[in-house]
Amino acid sequence: ETGVTQTPRHLVMGMTNKKSLKCEQHLGHNAMYWYKQSAKKPLELMFVYNFKEQTENNSVPSRFSPECPNSSHLFLHLHTLQPEDSALYLCASSPGGGDYNEQFFGPGTRLTVL
Amino acid sequence: GQNIDQPTEMTATEGAIVQINCTYQTSGFNGLFWYQQHAGEAPTFLSYNVLDGLEEKGRFSSFLSRSKGYSYLLLKELQMKDSASYLCAVLDSNYQLIWGAGTKLIIKP
Repeated sequence: ETGVTQTPRHLVMGMTNKKSLKCEQHLGHNAMYWYKQSAKKPLELMFVYNFKEQTENNSVPSRFSPECPNSSHLFLHLHTLQPEDSALYLCASSPGGGDYNEQFFGPGTRLTVL
Repeated sequence: GQNIDQPTEMTATEGAIVQINCTYQTSGFNGLFWYQQHAGEAPTFLSYNVLDGLEEKGRFSSFLSRSKGYSYLLLKELQMKDSASYLCAVLDSNYQLIWGAGTKLIIKP
């Protein structure tokens, strides 16, 4: 247990569906991250929130929409996804603001887009 | 561009020693991380190096040479549970983590 939980763990959706991924951290951290992990590829940073403010959006398509209502919760809203969006979506948190940036990861949501 | 290179896959024998290399070219350097990721699970932190040299933590050690843009993770007395992917990541000048694709380590009896 890393103190970061993600739901659902598995999700299958059609290209016309709308769904949301949820992440919650119980570590008192101030920074939260969404990553995409595809097989045999480096982790791709999608979004970063620091003290609830979005600080990074790495050219992510608009069909992915993040939401951070407070420092403990992070959502990723999905709509009209493509099959190539199938991947493991990882959430992470870190203390935030400092130089040393060890990140604590959740177990991920395995997303399959049909 | 920024780049992290590590072998895709390695195989080693239970009880042996294995060294997983990582080379990097990044815009700035504020430290290098190693994470372990078992299949279907979250990556978990193993080590952090910011100065040159060897950091030892039990059976695992991590080495850094900033002048060579090089690090390695050394695993001793390998156990079956060490079968996992090992991710190398560098903190760049903007304090963003740049990730390698990971090395899948297979341990055989």
